[in-house]
Amino acid sequence: NAGVTQTPKFQVLKTGQSMTLQCAQDMNHNSMYWYRQDPGMGLRLIYYSASEGTTDKGEVPNGYNVSRLNKREFSLRLESAAPSQTSVYFCASSRGESGANVLTFGAGSRLTVL
Amino acid sequence: KQEVTQIPAALSVPEGENLVLNCSFTDSAIYNLQWFRQDPGKGLTSLLLIQSSQREQTSGRLNASLDKSSGRSTLYIAASQPGDSATYLCAVAFQTGTASKLTFGTGTRLQVTL
Repeated sequence: NAGVTQTPKFQVLKTGQSMTLQCAQDMNHNSMYWYRQDPGMGLRLIYYSASEGTTDKGEVPNGYNVSRLNKREFSLRLESAAPSQTSVYFCASSRGESGANVLTFGAGSRLTVL
Repeated sequence: KQEVTQIPAALSVPEGENLVLNCSFTDSAIYNLQWFRQDPGKGLTSLLLIQSSQREQTSGRLNASLDKSSGRSTLYIAASQPGDSATYLCAVAFQTGTASKLTFGTGTRLQVTL
């Protein structure tokens, strides 16, 4: 009954360091997403994967890369972290892109870039 | 630009009161609208999803309505309880995107007092 699992939950980086946020879902969902949440700005879509083998940019993709490793896993990579990437990152998944979609979210990963 | 707005940003009510949270959006061409709950430091939990063809959805003490022509949705919470205290987020899937690409409002932080 895990749903969507994100790791790590907390991370502190120095400017210029790289890291990967991991996300896995066990609901056999086709679509997966990465969002960031910043105070006063709501959640913004970084990248999404409509199905295994495909990825597309969202609203704020600059500075990030993603990999849909298989149907279960979707990772987000920061190649050279910047203080502007300090945020809470959420992974989500859904069965597909049809109109009747409910998104299931992970618990979030809080990233601080110094 | 497609936007989702939630007013007020914060709301405090005494226990037992019925309350309405508001969500407005700029484009009536939508796939669906979802309401989420977010507890502090946690991920988002889906509460209700309303398809574009529907007028309302109900789950327990929650009732969400949708009026596409006016670009509005409301979330009605009956007989509020302290456990309802959380941030409530509205998210819209606009038809110019895909059904799963949601645009989020910034949320209404609800506090139910004893």
